[in-house]
Amino acid sequence: DADVTQTPRNRITKTGKRIMLECSQTKGHDRMYWYRQDPGLGLRLIYYSFDVKDINKGEISDGYSVSRQAQAKFSLSLESAIPNQTALYFCATSTGQGANIQYFGAGTRLSVL
Amino acid sequence: GDSVTQMEGPVTLSEEAFLTINCTYTATGYPSLFWYVQYPGEGLQLLLKATKADDKGSNKGFEATYRKETTSFHLEKGSVQVSDSAVYFCALTLSSGSARQLTFGSGTQLTVLP
Repeated sequence: DADVTQTPRNRITKTGKRIMLECSQTKGHDRMYWYRQDPGLGLRLIYYSFDVKDINKGEISDGYSVSRQAQAKFSLSLESAIPNQTALYFCATSTGQGANIQYFGAGTRLSVL
Repeated sequence: GDSVTQMEGPVTLSEEAFLTINCTYTATGYPSLFWYVQYPGEGLQLLLKATKADDKGSNKGFEATYRKETTSFHLEKGSVQVSDSAVYFCALTLSSGSARQLTFGSGTQLTVLP
């Protein structure tokens, strides 16, 4: 089983709909992150969380919200999806120690029509 | 702010060719440097890392040396294989500060032909 699991893997939705992307991990890490990947732009940080009570905005948080339901679960919501939120979304985890290596899920491909 | 600049792709090589993907960075502190690889349909996985100047990271035949004087971390492999076809991302994280988020380059698509 994957250490960092994202669901769904693919999603197509319509403009204005609310959508939630979920991430769960079995690595026991405290830190969790949400990134989006766009062609030619690399990955950009949306939100990050150091523990259940500590959630922080990243570089591009507008239009997104998150919930850290437990140490192992970190969900990303699009309150009212718009077409320019079409992207590949990745969840990642880390310990915060040493080089702070991050471990990524397989990604969710989201299309907003 | 911190940033990473990578060689633009796509890069197409024949099997057994030599690979270099250039990466330079700008950072306010002393970053740790990484190369991540993304195989088709998969998430990113760490390929190698270096945490201080002159460190050499290596894995699966790939190498990169942390050059503080040129602020570079170029990825090299002496003989690529078809299975190395993937997107490669250079990234950094600062060694101090609370966030310690990863800052990524734009990625370089590598295709290796048999």
